[in-house]
Amino acid sequence: SQTIHQWPATLVQPVGSPLSLECTVEGTSNPNLYWYRQAAGRGLQLLFYSVGIGQISSEVPQNLSASRPQDRQFILSSKKLLLSDSGFYLCAWSVEIAGGQQYFGPGTRLTVT
Amino acid sequence: GESVGLHLPTLSVQEGDNSIINCAYSNSASDYFIWYKQESGKGPQFIIDIRSNMDKRQGQRVTVLLNKTVKHLSLQIAATQPGDSAVYFCAERNDYKLSFGAGTTVTVRA
Repeated sequence: SQTIHQWPATLVQPVGSPLSLECTVEGTSNPNLYWYRQAAGRGLQLLFYSVGIGQISSEVPQNLSASRPQDRQFILSSKKLLLSDSGFYLCAWSVEIAGGQQYFGPGTRLTVT
Repeated sequence: GESVGLHLPTLSVQEGDNSIINCAYSNSASDYFIWYKQESGKGPQFIIDIRSNMDKRQGQRVTVLLNKTVKHLSLQIAATQPGDSAVYFCAERNDYKLSFGAGTTVTVRA
């Protein structure tokens, strides 16, 4: 069966510090991968998606970047965090591109202080 | 702005009653819809989906209804249980992207 992992589960970082969140998927090959951000009491905002190694599409201009160094690994990064980067970050995967059922990871709660 | 919205941000339901959660979408070209359940501090979990060529789909204790005429989607939960307390999101697919609404918080009263 497929599983998706995210770490860390929670993170508190000062403004201006770098960020690296990791997501890995097991039990499937060549998944489509996604990064979402969820602000408190809000829906999910798509940040990035990837259909393959090294292929990244950005949905929202921002202070963040994404990379996919391996087939089942998706990384969300920032060089300098802003207060507005605080939120709940969710990684997801699917078989179909951006559609069909998306399976979500447990999320990372990021607080920028 | 968001293209998917929910009619009510909160819903309080007596245990054992049926719940109905509504969602309005704005893009008539959307071809696929999903309902997710999100418990506090966790990632969303898939509940049920429906394609635009259908108007009803049933799962275990859940039914999704799609009315394309008025661009309305609903999730019905039968015999609501305490474990159903969560935030429920609808999502629509258009141009191969999913757009999520803000969610409805369902609270089940004992």
